[in-house]
Amino acid sequence: GESVGLHLPTLSVQEGDNSIINCAYSNSASDYFIWYKQESGKGPQFIIDIRSNMDKRQGQRVTVLLNKTVKHLSLQIAATQPGDSAVYFCAENRNTGGFKTIFGAGTRLFVKA
Amino acid sequence: GAGVSQSPSNKVTEKGKDVELRCDPISGHTALYWYRQSLGQGLEFLIYFQGNSAPDKSGLPSDRFSAERTGGSVSTLTIQRTQQEDSAVYLCASSLEKGRNQPQHFGDGTRLSIL
Repeated sequence: GESVGLHLPTLSVQEGDNSIINCAYSNSASDYFIWYKQESGKGPQFIIDIRSNMDKRQGQRVTVLLNKTVKHLSLQIAATQPGDSAVYFCAENRNTGGFKTIFGAGTRLFVKA
Repeated sequence: GAGVSQSPSNKVTEKGKDVELRCDPISGHTALYWYRQSLGQGLEFLIYFQGNSAPDKSGLPSDRFSAERTGGSVSTLTIQRTQQEDSAVYLCASSLEKGRNQPQHFGDGTRLSIL
């Protein structure tokens, strides 16, 4: 079936190191991708997005890479900080055959001080 | 500016009772979504509203679940005859417009516990 999934359910990194969170999607009709961060007891918070006509987009300490050939999305966090500890979700928007947003299962990031 | 507001933040009720969950979207956002999140799980789509169009109810798990959106703003999710498996966090999100590749902005959810 169609899905957005994550390769790693948990990721543990040392403070100051870079983090890479991966996501695979299965539907080539998806044309917009979003990364969300969810802290305990909070709703998901928008981090960064990318459209399918791009392969890279940078924000403050975060970079999203899109590889449409292998249907792969990644979130890179530079100089990871304890405040980055959270669950990260990728999501895809599909605008053909009816609009739909599909969320991945999530990856929990632990930052060790 | 104000974000998406949900109330109550926590709700504990007995099995069989009805519950109403409220969502105030960001002002000017025409699209509104309800999701359910079980402990340690991802987001399960429930229902979606866009302007005056008929809502997309394809994610509602049973006919005990219903939702309304009055005046294109505030939305209420109602669960009738609650069951223990309804226990979860119910999240509401809004966005500027559906299908225009806008991110969804989430509230902090209502944590529902069915005894």
